[in-house]
Amino acid sequence: GNSVTQMEGPVTLSEEAFLTINCTYTATGYPSLFWYVQYPGEGLQLLLKATKADDKGSNKGFEATYRKETTSFHLEKGSVQVSDSAVYFCALSPLSSNTGKLIFGQGTTLQVKP
Amino acid sequence: DSGVTQTPKHLITATGQRVTLRCSPRSGDLSVYWYQQSLDQGLQFLIQYYNGEERAKGNILERFSAQQFPDLHSELNLSSLELGDSALYFCASSLGGTSYNEQFFGPGTRLTVL
Repeated sequence: GNSVTQMEGPVTLSEEAFLTINCTYTATGYPSLFWYVQYPGEGLQLLLKATKADDKGSNKGFEATYRKETTSFHLEKGSVQVSDSAVYFCALSPLSSNTGKLIFGQGTTLQVKP
Repeated sequence: DSGVTQTPKHLITATGQRVTLRCSPRSGDLSVYWYQQSLDQGLQFLIQYYNGEERAKGNILERFSAQQFPDLHSELNLSSLELGDSALYFCASSLGGTSYNEQFFGPGTRLTVL
């Protein structure tokens, strides 16, 4: 079946540190891959996405590359800010012309300290 | 603001009761998704509608049902409520109904079953 595994949190970093949040997936075929962010008390927002192998998604300084050979989609940012503190979810949408349902990882809480 | 509205924001009810959660999608979006976020199960896909028709079903209990109306708003009905149904319920909408269409999430309805 389809599933997503994320690194356990919480992750605590100092401002301007380098961030990596690991995400691996299991899926049939080539799904679309996403990172969503959830700020306290809010709904999820799409951070970035990639729809095929070797695609790199990027937004607001965050990047992730769709790696077919390692079935991974790790999230990285070169220099985090306090305002990046949030919960980050890796997700996949199975290859299908019929549905865009999302299957989420368990979420990783990031806390950035000044 | 994603443009997706959900009502009510909070709902407190007792076991055995029935509640209705409402979602209004972004203007022009044809597809609506429902997700449940709980501490033990994480974020789970429940059901998707596209232009009034059910498109995909996930881990939705038989006690739960949903529909999408001609004006494209959607309702999620939860009946015979149990303590374990306490969760945050998110609605998301997208223009199309496939994995190529970005989903925009509402702020959620927090359900507490006492």
